[in-house]
Amino acid sequence: AQRVTQPEKLLSVFKGAPVELKCNYSYSGSPELFWYVQYSRQRLQLLLRHISRESIKGFTADLNKGETSFHLKKPFAQEEDSAMYYCAPSNTGNQFYFGTGTSLTVIP
Amino acid sequence: DTAVSQTPKYLVTQMGNDKSIKCEQNLGHDTMYWYKQDSKKFLKIMFSYNNKELIINETVPNRFSPKSPDKAHLNLHINSLELGDSAVYFCASTLEGGRGEQYFGPGTRLTVT
Repeated sequence: AQRVTQPEKLLSVFKGAPVELKCNYSYSGSPELFWYVQYSRQRLQLLLRHISRESIKGFTADLNKGETSFHLKKPFAQEEDSAMYYCAPSNTGNQFYFGTGTSLTVIP
Repeated sequence: DTAVSQTPKYLVTQMGNDKSIKCEQNLGHDTMYWYKQDSKKFLKIMFSYNNKELIINETVPNRFSPKSPDKAHLNLHINSLELGDSAVYFCASTLEGGRGEQYFGPGTRLTVT
């Protein structure tokens, strides 16, 4: 069965500290992986996708096929990073299954 | 220019009523979705349409009926609303047949009293 796990429901870090949001997936085939962000009361928007290998707003995510993980990292958290983050693998068949989300709070 | 729009933004109604939420995208995408985000922020796919055809129908009560008059529109009609239907409903679309970036609408906050 397709499954994506974000083990931390809530995560708090101090401004300037490193942050890592974990994502593990169990998927058949070779899914494409995404991180989406939702700022307070706003729509979800794409943060990054693994095939583009871009760094967006200082965030990076490395796909580890051996561990089936796609953790999101940022070396120095900023207050504006406080938001809800969703890991979302997808495969063929128009299926997107979002993780349960991690609510990140950056403490000033 | 709003890429994915939804109306209404807020919807407050009583149990037992029937209501509709509309979604439109002007991106030329082929695939559209409906998601439900509950009070715990869990985001669950409900339906997926590709070129007006239903592709995915997750375990959703048949009180929920999506309708796609054309590939730019995917509306959601809900019959006999229940308290548990209270949530934020997001519409989304993708270009690449389900593997590309999803563009989300602003959400419709449905409150059933």
